[in-house]
Amino acid sequence: DIQLTQSPFTLSASVGDRVTITCRASQNVNSWLAWYQQKGGRPPKPLIYKASNLQSGVPSRFSASGSGTEFTLTISSLQPDDFATYYCQHSNSYPITFGQGTRLEIK
Amino acid sequence: EVQLVESGGGLVQSGGSLRLSCAGSGFTFSSHWMSWVRQAPGKGLEWVANINRDGSVKRYGDPVKGRFTISRDNAKNSLSLQLDSLRVEDTAVYYCARVPASDSWFDYWGQGSPVSVSS
Repeated sequence: DIQLTQSPFTLSASVGDRVTITCRASQNVNSWLAWYQQKGGRPPKPLIYKASNLQSGVPSRFSASGSGTEFTLTISSLQPDDFATYYCQHSNSYPITFGQGTRLEIK
Repeated sequence: EVQLVESGGGLVQSGGSLRLSCAGSGFTFSSHWMSWVRQAPGKGLEWVANINRDGSVKRYGDPVKGRFTISRDNAKNSLSLQLDSLRVEDTAVYYCARVPASDSWFDYWGQGSPVSVSS
């Protein structure tokens, strides 16, 4: 199985900051990686698909890059609505797996 | 508007069974692979199962293989998950999710159906 490891586990930041979350895969997943945002008690919201494609309706302050085994999600200028937990997910092969999540909290 | 609405969750004893359903609307249900993803209390997301457009191909995560069965009824725009031989560790919110045409990520999610398994 392909393991996805996100770093950091928790990230403290302020409104207006630029933040980056990393997702490392234990094997090559090519560009088959997606990112989600989840707020307490709600279903995940897709942000990015195929490593770098912004899902419709997602603000342009979100961007992502990477291929192979290393990927990043960047928020260029944090807004109050962005404080949430973020997950990466690969779909290169079965089983599909998610990273453990990165909690983005207000400093 | 795409909508996915789960139902059927609840409290069940270890070893018992439950059947979850997901009603899809606002899109051509038969054109999409569909999935179940779960989230244990306070934990991360875990993929459970996928099913292809006509129901002929099914994939399962190792923790549920042989105990859970995914199925669909395209005439009723409905997805199901039969949960048998339930274990305490199956306690989670179960989400129904749509797979877009080109890739196995999840572009629409239901609100989730909670399943609690007691010992």
